[in-house]
Amino acid sequence: QQQVKQSPQSLIVQKGGISIINCAYENTAFDYFPWYQQFPGKGPALLIAIRPDVSEKKEGRFTISFNKSAKQFSLHIMDSQPGDSATYFCAARGTSYDKVIFGPGTSLSVIP
Amino acid sequence: ETGVTQSPTHLIKTRGQQVTLRCSSQSGHNTVSWYQQALGQGPQFIFQYYREEENGRGNFPPRFSGLQFPNYSSELNVNALELDDSALYLCASSFGGTLYNEQFFGPGTRLTVL
Repeated sequence: QQQVKQSPQSLIVQKGGISIINCAYENTAFDYFPWYQQFPGKGPALLIAIRPDVSEKKEGRFTISFNKSAKQFSLHIMDSQPGDSATYFCAARGTSYDKVIFGPGTSLSVIP
Repeated sequence: ETGVTQSPTHLIKTRGQQVTLRCSSQSGHNTVSWYQQALGQGPQFIFQYYREEENGRGNFPPRFSGLQFPNYSSELNVNALELDDSALYLCASSFGGTLYNEQFFGPGTRLTVL
């Protein structure tokens, strides 16, 4: 019930391509869905987040698509750049304010 | 405005020992959450402190304990260390009281248990 599933585990995309990471959840009490980016040796940093009353949110090259009925959401990175190479975590926030349940992560490599 | 800081950066302990990790929250934040991130996995929620009180706990045994101080800095204590406790320990601070407040993570403490 508390799990967040994420796929793929790793992703290789050419520079300029679109990176797509998918996530799914079971607990309908989740009501906030952030994405985090983590570089080696650093803590996760919030990239973009969405609430379940919105189906899509775009910030620059990053877009979250949210399907409430399917309990799925995805991150699209347009015009992927080598600097986007990092591990990406989807997450969900539970009914208590600050607890964040993380997915297992996707290692993205953007090759020139 | 300073970010979240953690100390030490790295730590090596042997099985059965005890360890204390420290976190200074971002200025103005009153909530600290601790996470354990095993290699190649997502962070797992350990517990959260809000205004010096534990405000929720994940699926971790009682040998994981914590404190939050009046200045909102925090400690994570782990007793009777086990090999599986080897991980990156992350602390995140936020301003509690609103549902969508952002958590800011520190760089973590890498704990190795031999």
